[in-house]
Amino acid sequence: DGGITQSPKYLFRKEGQNVTLSCEQNLNHDAMYWYRQDPGQGLRLIYYSQIVNDFQKGDIAEGYSVSREKKESFPLTVTSAQKNPTAFYLCASSHQGAGELFFGEGSRLTVL
Amino acid sequence: AQSVTQPDIHITVSEGASLELRCNYSYGATPYLFWYVQSPGQGLQLLLKYFSGDTLVQGIKGFEAEFKRSQSSFNLRKPSVHWSDAAEYFCAVGAPSSSNTGKLIFGQGTTLQVKP
Repeated sequence: DGGITQSPKYLFRKEGQNVTLSCEQNLNHDAMYWYRQDPGQGLRLIYYSQIVNDFQKGDIAEGYSVSREKKESFPLTVTSAQKNPTAFYLCASSHQGAGELFFGEGSRLTVL
Repeated sequence: AQSVTQPDIHITVSEGASLELRCNYSYGATPYLFWYVQSPGQGLQLLLKYFSGDTLVQGIKGFEAEFKRSQSSFNLRKPSVHWSDAAEYFCAVGAPSSSNTGKLIFGQGTTLQVKP
């Protein structure tokens, strides 16, 4: 079945460490997104990519980095510069111009 | 500024009762409109969407929503709630153009609790 796979589902990190969250999709979608979810704040856009080798900052990109070397993959790195990284991270994808997003199951990052 | 407001943070209804979740948006034009549902620790699932045409939209799991342009609202309804409907619900808006980047603006969410 087609879908979006995020890994790991749970991740613990010490302060000062970088961590990379994986997102893979087999829906043949052009666009991919990373959202951050915090209780009571809805979803906020971190980065998005409409085509391979190109990506744009969202509303809260500081302290994060991404790459888009393959259409299927859009990994997110949470760097040590991110001051409050503990959150639930959601990856999504869509057909270009379609509007509707398809979401992965999410990755919960906890900084110890 | 573009925004989505879900006025109710938490709603409790009895099983079998009707449900209405409110969503108001601020946007320059009529946007694409969506309702998503999220179970704890899971991703978001699309319930329904409005792009154009009939302002009453039917979705999955017996949900429907009505777009009211004059009120900038897109409220979600269900005639009879089931215990399995307990979850968090998000309203979202997106740009209605062929160059749509797919970026969505989400509301803060409404948590639905269902009493037996």
